[in-house]
Formats: sequence, C-alpha cells, structure tokens
Amino acid sequence: QEQLVESGGASVRPGGSLRLSCAASGFTFNNYYMAWVRQAPGKGLEWISYISPNGDNIYYEDSLRGRFAVSRDNANNAIHLQMKSLRAEDTGVFYCARVLEHRYKSYSGISYTLKSYFYMDVWGRGTTVTVSS
Amino acid sequence: DIQMTQSPSSLSASVGDRVIITCRASHDVNYWLAWYQQKPGEAPNLLISAASSRQTGVPSRFFGGGSGTQFTLTISSLQPEDFATYYCQQSNDFPHTFGQGTKVEVK
Repeated sequence: QEQLVESGGASVRPGGSLRLSCAASGFTFNNYYMAWVRQAPGKGLEWISYISPNGDNIYYEDSLRGRFAVSRDNANNAIHLQMKSLRAEDTGVFYCARVLEHRYKSYSGISYTLKSYFYMDVWGRGTTVTVSS
Repeated sequence: DIQMTQSPSSLSASVGDRVIITCRASHDVNYWLAWYQQKPGEAPNLLISAASSRQTGVPSRFFGGGSGTQFTLTISSLQPEDFATYYCQQSNDFPHTFGQGTKVEVK
C-alpha cells in the first residue's frame, strides 16, 4: 500500500533552519513527481513545490524560492525540504504528496505542444513546524 | 499567478441536501482542475481530477464539472461523512494554486 511519512517538524526560532523529510513506500518512487504542500493553522492549503522523478526539474512557489529547497534521494525513496530564514508565517503543517503527471497534446492549428497536468493522489499525514521566539 | 476563488467560503447543509461549490480561476486553466476533501486533523484526499474525473473509491454522489475559468463540485445527496472542507487546485500553470477552501458544516 502506498504510504508517505513526513518527519523533521520542530519548533524553531525566527531566522532558523529546518530540514523536513518524507519517506515513501509501496510504490515505485522514482517513477513519480513528488510535492510539498503546507497549511498554516486554521488556514487553507498552499502549494510549495514539485520535484520531477529524476530531480532535474523542480518547481517552486515564487515567494518561497531562495528560502526553501527541495531535493530527492531515489536510492532511499525520500524527498527533503530544506528551509532557511524561517519566519513566524512559515508555521504550519507540511505535507508531502505523490504527484501524478498526465501528458496531453495542446494543438495550435495542425501542430501541437506536449504539456502536462498534475494532481496529488497520495498524501502523508504531515509534520508540524512552529516558528516562534 | 492564477488566482482561484471558491464560493461560498462556508455553507450549512443537512444530510440529503444537494450542495454545489464553485471555483473560479483568474485565467483559463483548461480542464486542469482538481478537487480535494479535507477533514479536521487529516491530510487532504483527492476526489476529482481533470475537472470531472472521479477518483477510484470516491462515491458517485460527487460530481465535478466545468472548464476554462469556472468549475463546480456537486454533492448530490450530502452524507454525514461529507462534512469537511473542500479545495480546488489548478495545474495549468505554475504555481499550482489552491482555492481558499469551502467548509461544509452541519445545519
């Protein structure tokens, strides 16, 4: 059964750093994009990042690029989220998720471009980060 | 960035009611919209992808529709286990933004 387990959440001071991890099992990890999503207390979901199966392509929420960095270790079926210069507003639950990519042809006249759409079908239970002085 | 706006932000309904949640995109997202359900203290759960494709195991009372900039999630007959918060998310352009959520509460 597919499973994702996040770890690494902690209480940190503003300006501090933290590394979250997500361990995957029950599926062929290196076939899938993976994602990080966060949720501030009492608030909605916020997309953070996707990382491609081989780690060559990483997409970020623009406002987090530079402070957050995603990586993956396919040998150990894990992804990581390295966060630095943490702020109070980074407090929340951080989820990792498996991403399904579907490719389609986007036609313009008789020519087409290959594009993709994505959705997240397996989620971990999350790990909590608290940034407070 | 594409802004996703859900309406209403919350609603009160009774078991057996038909519930419709709307999600509007600030730009055309084609059919590339997903719906997630989240219960308190739990991770989100994927209900629908590509605007209308119900995931395996999702009850048939959940319907997704729409394209372009306007989408709907319909629950045809609300069940006790459906009281939750629902989010739409577009995946046409990065960043893949979520709507702010719609909380479905007991009337």
